[in-house]
Amino acid sequence: GQQVMQIPQYQHVQEGEDFTTYCNSSTTLSNIQWYKQRPGGHPVFLIQLVKSGEVKKQKRLTFQFGEAKKNSSLHITATQTTDVGTYFCIYDAAGNTGKLIFGQGTTLQVKP
Amino acid sequence: ETGVTQSPTHLIKTRGQQVTLRCSSQSGHNTVSWYQQALGQGPQFIFQYYREEENGRGNFPPRFSGLQFPNYSSELNVNALELDDSALYLCASSKVSGGGETQYFGPGTRLLVL
Repeated sequence: GQQVMQIPQYQHVQEGEDFTTYCNSSTTLSNIQWYKQRPGGHPVFLIQLVKSGEVKKQKRLTFQFGEAKKNSSLHITATQTTDVGTYFCIYDAAGNTGKLIFGQGTTLQVKP
Repeated sequence: ETGVTQSPTHLIKTRGQQVTLRCSSQSGHNTVSWYQQALGQGPQFIFQYYREEENGRGNFPPRFSGLQFPNYSSELNVNALELDDSALYLCASSKVSGGGETQYFGPGTRLLVL
């Protein structure tokens, strides 16, 4: 079946540095969603990308969906301690049905 | 807050026992999905309920079962608990509209099996 690999698994940055996490799929994805889970919390929806080459921004966060719809990235500019958590890129296994397949995510630590 | 609630928040059981976890969906949502999240791992899809019927299942044995009620609240039942069932159990509600539903997660139930 489809496999979505996310790298890196862990990232430690100094506050103010940028951060990027990448997702790569072996097959074309109909859409990709990004979630953030704070330590001890639950996943919270950030954004969904559907179109080839799509770029969306949320303040310091920039999300991209590759032209071939096989990869995606999340870039955080000038990280803050509030950005700490695990970021998951996930896809809907059956196509827009909510049966989400999570990977291990990228855990971000930000040193003040 | 997402409006999705789960109970209980924490639970301790012993191996072989049975457990029922509950989830109350966000108002207007007709679909509930359940996930198991082991420590340090991403959530794993258990199953989904849509309009009181199971609508897809992940790689979990039959001792994991569920129900969805007319008010769209849901239960997850696990029989014959094993040590490896210790995890955070998350439910997520959404409104199926055929176009990329956002999942709203509850705070989860932390289950410890001794």
